[in-house]
Amino acid sequence: NAGVTQTPKFRVLKTGQSMTLLCAQDMNHEYMYWYRQDPGMGLRLIHYSVGEGTTAKGEVPDGYNVSRLKKQNFLLGLESAAPSQTSVYFCASSYASARGVTEAFFGQGTRLTVV
Amino acid sequence: GNSVTQMEGPVTLSEEAFLTINCTYTATGYPSLFWYVQYPEEGLQLLLKATKADDKGSNKGFEATYRKETTSFHLEKGSVQVSDSAVYFCALRGSQGNLIFGKGTKLSVKP
Repeated sequence: NAGVTQTPKFRVLKTGQSMTLLCAQDMNHEYMYWYRQDPGMGLRLIHYSVGEGTTAKGEVPDGYNVSRLKKQNFLLGLESAAPSQTSVYFCASSYASARGVTEAFFGQGTRLTVV
Repeated sequence: GNSVTQMEGPVTLSEEAFLTINCTYTATGYPSLFWYVQYPEEGLQLLLKATKADDKGSNKGFEATYRKETTSFHLEKGSVQVSDSAVYFCALRGSQGNLIFGKGTKLSVKP
């Protein structure tokens, strides 16, 4: 019962480097999300996907790109990391039921530091 | 647009004290409402939810009632334990299925 798995758990990047965060879910959920968590800001939505092959911008999309080539995976890319992207990143997934979209299930987070 | 406002912390209580964390929302219609809990160095876990007005969500001794008249979803627990120390987030379901979060309230319970 893995649920939502994020890799890596920790990463330190230098300004200008690129990286990809991987999110994998084994619950066959249609919806997947990337959030960032910053002190005093709560969680803010970066990008989301309502199904395989679809992505959309959230509240704070600048500097990030995403891809959902497979239903179970949702990748978050940073093309040129900046110190402002130092944060904890959470992936989540949910599914549609007869009563609407269900609650979200979260991964354990990726702590990214950009120096 | 949709938004969630919850009381700022940190909140420090003694064990067995009564807990209330206030949460109010602004939304079009009546979205589902949630409380999530985040323990240190962990991801968020669903604590409880309510999908329509007057619903009461409950779990692990925590309760919250969906009040459309006051647009509120306050979290309560009658007797907190040290193990309840965590950050609590109120959230509502957005139009795209995403969650819109409050800023979180850190709770510390002292023995």
